[in-house]
Amino acid sequence: GQQVMQIPQYQHVQEGEDFTTYCNSSTTLSNIQWYKQRPGGHPVFLIQLVKSGEVKKQKRLTFQFGEAKKNSSLHITATQTTDVGTYFCAGPSGGSYIPTFGRGTSLIVHP
Amino acid sequence: NAGVTQTPKFQVLKTGQSMTLQCAQDMNHEYMSWYRQDPGMGLRLIHYSVGAGITDQGEVPNGYNVSRSTTEDFPLRLLSAAPSQTSVYFCASCLGQDSPLHFGNGTRLTVT
Repeated sequence: GQQVMQIPQYQHVQEGEDFTTYCNSSTTLSNIQWYKQRPGGHPVFLIQLVKSGEVKKQKRLTFQFGEAKKNSSLHITATQTTDVGTYFCAGPSGGSYIPTFGRGTSLIVHP
Repeated sequence: NAGVTQTPKFQVLKTGQSMTLQCAQDMNHEYMSWYRQDPGMGLRLIHYSVGAGITDQGEVPNGYNVSRSTTEDFPLRLLSAAPSQTSVYFCASCLGQDSPLHFGNGTRLTVT
């Protein structure tokens, strides 16, 4: 089935540095969703992108959907310790009607 | 609204034992799904349902059964537990295709 690839797997940053995670698909996606999972917690929906080239912001988080709708990114400006967690992208699987998740990027913020 | 409720939170099984992981949602969502999460593997889809009486297999269905007799409930059954099924299991629900998923708090299962 369709897969979304996510990089990097881990990212260590000093508090205040920026962070970016990337999501790529070999096929065009109708939409992409982003989730955050805090350590020991469950994934929580952050945002959904639908339009080609779409950019959405949530405070220090910026989400982008590529022009070809095959890639997406999440950028966090000036990371804080509260940003610690694993960030997942998820795209339609093409068959199951249920999103397929990337493997996630774990963000570790050092104070 | 309680959202998505999973029970139990923790479970230890011996190889060959059976058990059912419970999942219930009170949001009147049509779609429900089960994922397992293993280190470095992300969330892998086990089974899903797009409505009462309808179920289908996901990416890793072997060793698991599901049924959907009501809109609210979507239990996951392990018929004969194996150590390879040691994982964290998440149930999720959503309104429909491409809708945001709402996850339960998860069940941490250890099979010895």
